[in-house]
Amino acid sequence: NAGVTQTPKFRILKIGQSMTLQCTQDMNHNYMYWYRQDPGMGLKLIYYSVGAGITDKGEVPNGYNVSRSTTEDFPLRLELAAPSQTSVYFCASTGGLNTEAFFGQGTRLTVV
Amino acid sequence: GQQLNQSPQSMFIQEGEDVSMNCTSSSIFNTWLWYKQDPGEGPVLLIALYKAGELTSNGRLTAQFGITRKDSFLNISASIPSDVGIYFCAGQLSGTSYGKLTFGQGTILTVHP
Repeated sequence: NAGVTQTPKFRILKIGQSMTLQCTQDMNHNYMYWYRQDPGMGLKLIYYSVGAGITDKGEVPNGYNVSRSTTEDFPLRLELAAPSQTSVYFCASTGGLNTEAFFGQGTRLTVV
Repeated sequence: GQQLNQSPQSMFIQEGEDVSMNCTSSSIFNTWLWYKQDPGEGPVLLIALYKAGELTSNGRLTAQFGITRKDSFLNISASIPSDVGIYFCAGQLSGTSYGKLTFGQGTILTVHP
């Protein structure tokens, strides 16, 4: 049972480069989320999706974009990487309200 | 946005000691959750609380949902070395929150054998 799978695990980007962080889940969950974790700051919500074709901004969406063409996949796109986007990114999914959220292992991104 | 204040930020304890950490919020939440994060891993749910005043245990862990719905605490009894990690509280609203979580800053726990 794979759960939530994120790729890559690590990445170094130069300022201005773009990349896509991949997230896929095999639990048929409707709700998916992207969080970023900065040291000592907890996790902050970037974007979320309540189902295929539906996405919405979270607390810190600037500099990111998402899409949800299928139930399984929820990629996060950085178009013009900035040092402020250096962080650990976590994807999560849940089957509905008051059900457990499952997290991926994270992607550690460094922008230099 | 909503903020959760989690304390303490870090704890250094001896194996066998009890641990207590708490979270407070200026906003009301309908669900309180406690997660643990091991190095290089994503958070894993420890305990979920759904009712004000609820006290729930999971092995050596006990958590309570405050009566005001603005706070929660987590206790770990008789700590062991594998309790090491970062503990996060998280609050969730019902209704149109769509399962979104607001996280505390985390408590880093170190257990000395």
